[in-house]
Amino acid sequence: KAGVTQTPRYLIKTRGQQVTLSCSPISGHRSVSWYQQTPGQGLQFLFEYFSETQRNKGNFPGRFSGRQFSNSRSEMNVSTLELGDSALYLCASSLLVADTQYFGPGTRLTVL
Amino acid sequence: GIQVEQSPPDLILQEGANSTLRCNFSDSVNNLQWFHQNPWGQLINLFYIPSGTKQNGRLSATTVATERYSLLYISSSQTTDSGVYFCAALSGGGADGLTFGKGTHLIIQP
Repeated sequence: KAGVTQTPRYLIKTRGQQVTLSCSPISGHRSVSWYQQTPGQGLQFLFEYFSETQRNKGNFPGRFSGRQFSNSRSEMNVSTLELGDSALYLCASSLLVADTQYFGPGTRLTVL
Repeated sequence: GIQVEQSPPDLILQEGANSTLRCNFSDSVNNLQWFHQNPWGQLINLFYIPSGTKQNGRLSATTVATERYSLLYISSSQTTDSGVYFCAALSGGGADGLTFGKGTHLIIQP
């Protein structure tokens, strides 16, 4: 089976712009979660989707949003980018909630 | 939410040595995983181990759920084992997603 894929792998944006990141889960997996990794804060949970519904959301401002499509693919969007949004964004998929999570290679976002 | 603490934060060993990484968590867990983050940032699954003991080659892990800790053992370390090892836990209904520890940075010297 193919693993979790994320596109794009690298992205450079300027402050105030918006960005959309994409994640394709492992075939058959219905749960997709997003995480942000920064040197200062470590790995932090952003949100989780299951069967197109957002189940949980971490402690992030409303500028961070996401959605899941009927084929389980997910996108996350960050609007009005700030310098502090520079991070590695990781997507994970699992068969069911609380099951083993498998991570994609990540999207490295740089905000200038 | 659940708190996850890892120790030691840094570990430097010679090739061939054995190591033990510890993860303490503050609440009962539905999911506990160990990951190795490669130099490109990808998190590689090592173990899904909310309780019990598992082994995979030179790596093994034990979680004692009643005492709220997990251990990752690496035997006969190789330079390719270098990197950051994360423990992550999910408790209750998973409202906070996986909560990660700060990681153990392992360096294996030849």
